[in-house]
Amino acid sequence: AQKVTQAQTEISVVEKEDVTLDCVYETRDTTYYLFWYKQPPSGELVFLIRRNSFDEQNEISGRYSWNFQKSTSSFNFTITASQVVDSAVYFCAQYSSASKIIFGSGTRLSIRP
Amino acid sequence: DAGVTQSPTHLIKTRGQQVTLRCSPKSGHDTVSWYQQALGQGPQFIFQYYEEEERQRGNFPDRFSGHQFPNYSSELNVNALLLGDSALYLCASSLAYGDGYTFGSGTRLTVV
Repeated sequence: AQKVTQAQTEISVVEKEDVTLDCVYETRDTTYYLFWYKQPPSGELVFLIRRNSFDEQNEISGRYSWNFQKSTSSFNFTITASQVVDSAVYFCAQYSSASKIIFGSGTRLSIRP
Repeated sequence: DAGVTQSPTHLIKTRGQQVTLRCSPKSGHDTVSWYQQALGQGPQFIFQYYEEEERQRGNFPDRFSGHQFPNYSSELNVNALLLGDSALYLCASSLAYGDGYTFGSGTRLTVV
């Protein structure tokens, strides 16, 4: 069965600190995709990144970076030099042969000025 | 190029009533999925429509039904509303066998 676990319910840091959001997934599929979405108070899910199961290269996009490790079934997300605008709920999600996205329960990130 | 459009934005209904939510997919997408997001939780998969038929369904009762039209737009219907149906309902469009989902801003349903 598919499952995505985000153990951190809430995180609060001071602006400019680095912060890492954890994500652990479960699947029996060999081909799957992992996602991170940001959900600001407006409610819309904003796509951040997609990785497929065959590409374990870490990725960096500006202040955002992602660490995908199949050995530990983890897909962690780090924000460097956090800013107040990064405050939101972040969801890790998984897509596989079932053709539907399974979401984690989300991590609420608060960046204090 | 318009993204996913959902209407209405907000809705208040009374327990026992019926509600219809609407979704227009992103241009070029032919598959629509619906998700329910209760307060403080992650989105939960309700069902997915492709070629005007329900292709997959999550663990939701039959009170939740849907429809897809020839232009790929979709409706989500909920009958006999319960207080627990209060949530943000998100629509996502994609290609039938693609992995790229585009989400709409959602419809916030409040049942009183």
